[in-house]
Amino acid sequence: GDSVTQMEGPVTLSEEAFLTINCTYTATGYPSLFWYVQYPGEGLQLLLKATKADDKGSNKGFEATYRKETTSFHLEKGSVQVSDSAVYFCARTSGTYKYIFGTGTRLKVLA
Amino acid sequence: DVKVTQSSRYLVKRTGEKVFLECVQDMDHENMFWYRQDPGLGLRLIYFSYDVKMKEKGDIPEGYSVSREKKERFSLILESASTNQTSMYLCASSLWTGQRESTDTQYFGPGTRLTVL
Repeated sequence: GDSVTQMEGPVTLSEEAFLTINCTYTATGYPSLFWYVQYPGEGLQLLLKATKADDKGSNKGFEATYRKETTSFHLEKGSVQVSDSAVYFCARTSGTYKYIFGTGTRLKVLA
Repeated sequence: DVKVTQSSRYLVKRTGEKVFLECVQDMDHENMFWYRQDPGLGLRLIYFSYDVKMKEKGDIPEGYSVSREKKERFSLILESASTNQTSMYLCASSLWTGQRESTDTQYFGPGTRLTVL
């Protein structure tokens, strides 16, 4: 079935470091792709999305490009802040209704 | 601003109790979902609903049931709570786009952390 694989965490970075969190998805159908962020004690919030190949989603300095040829949707940010510490989830749609989530990557940014 | 609310942030119940988790959305979304979130397992879909009174099993429906009597409200029911149902429960909603592959965003509530003793 459809699946999403993302890098295991935790990822620990110093403030202002470059961030990459890898995400790959199964190449079935024409999924939309998402990155969600979860801050401690809260639900998931949409960070960015892309609905077709070569689309780039961006928000709050984060970016991800829908790469059909490599079935990837890696999350990047040029300069992380302490406030970016959270758990990040990659997700894809699976048909009309369903969404498939990765297992999440915890990011910790040190001052 | 879009809003999904859940009836409780924290809940403590005893084994064997019947537990109701309520979710309400104010976006007039057709689709609503219940997930449970456990460390190392990510989000797992329990049930979803695409219309009033309509429901579909997700990946882990055993031990759960759902009810959707009104469009804005989706309830998760644990008929007889067990300790292995201790988890974070997340409700979400999304718009039905009518497309073969959805393009819409899922909007999540804040979650209910349920502990079954």
